[in-house]
Amino acid sequence: DQQVKQNSPSLSVQEGRISILNCDYTNSMFDYFLWYKKYPAEGPTFLISISSIKDKNEDGRFTVFLNKSAKHLSLHIVPSQPGDSAVYFCAASEGNNNDMRFGAGTRLTVKP
Amino acid sequence: DTGVSQDPRHKITKRGQNVTFRCDPISEHNRLYWYRQTLGQGPEFLTYFQNEAQLEKSRLLSDRFSAERPKGSFSTLEIQRTEQGDSAMYLCASSPPGAFYGYTFGSGTRLTVV
Repeated sequence: DQQVKQNSPSLSVQEGRISILNCDYTNSMFDYFLWYKKYPAEGPTFLISISSIKDKNEDGRFTVFLNKSAKHLSLHIVPSQPGDSAVYFCAASEGNNNDMRFGAGTRLTVKP
Repeated sequence: DTGVSQDPRHKITKRGQNVTFRCDPISEHNRLYWYRQTLGQGPEFLTYFQNEAQLEKSRLLSDRFSAERPKGSFSTLEIQRTEQGDSAMYLCASSPPGAFYGYTFGSGTRLTVV
């Protein structure tokens, strides 16, 4: 059962523009959401998170938005840089449950 | 500390053989996780340790799979009688006490069963 879905397998943007990566989830019990970034031959790296009590969390160029009613979250990267090119995974968890569910990932390519 | 280390990086084995992977977490992290990632998918949870205790196991972890963390430090994941469907990237992650999220992942062990 795919409880976390990233429907866009790839995204290409121009350097300096905004990148928007989307994620949908089906489990209304999820209350913590994270984004991970993965470069080739490396493990995923934690990027940013948001709890269900918030609708926005910002860290530098990265902002995560959460729409609980739509069960949707998005990651905005602005301005995008070529070094942001990687696979981005959305993940969600229920309470202190350690069974974190990941989406299939979106490959972001930022063109110079 | 150099982060989470996994060994080997790559493993090719014949179907039916047993394989064992090792994970060395960040030293002060008491929580350790194993995930599996297949091509085109995100990581899937396999099991979780807090110190030496294995507290959660996914239904993905069949009886051919066993994980240990004998002294609460490094962990091993063994797969017995490997099958071609076991071919995947096996990821280990760790996190410090009190932090349930924001795991630090290792680079993974890529298993190919031929």
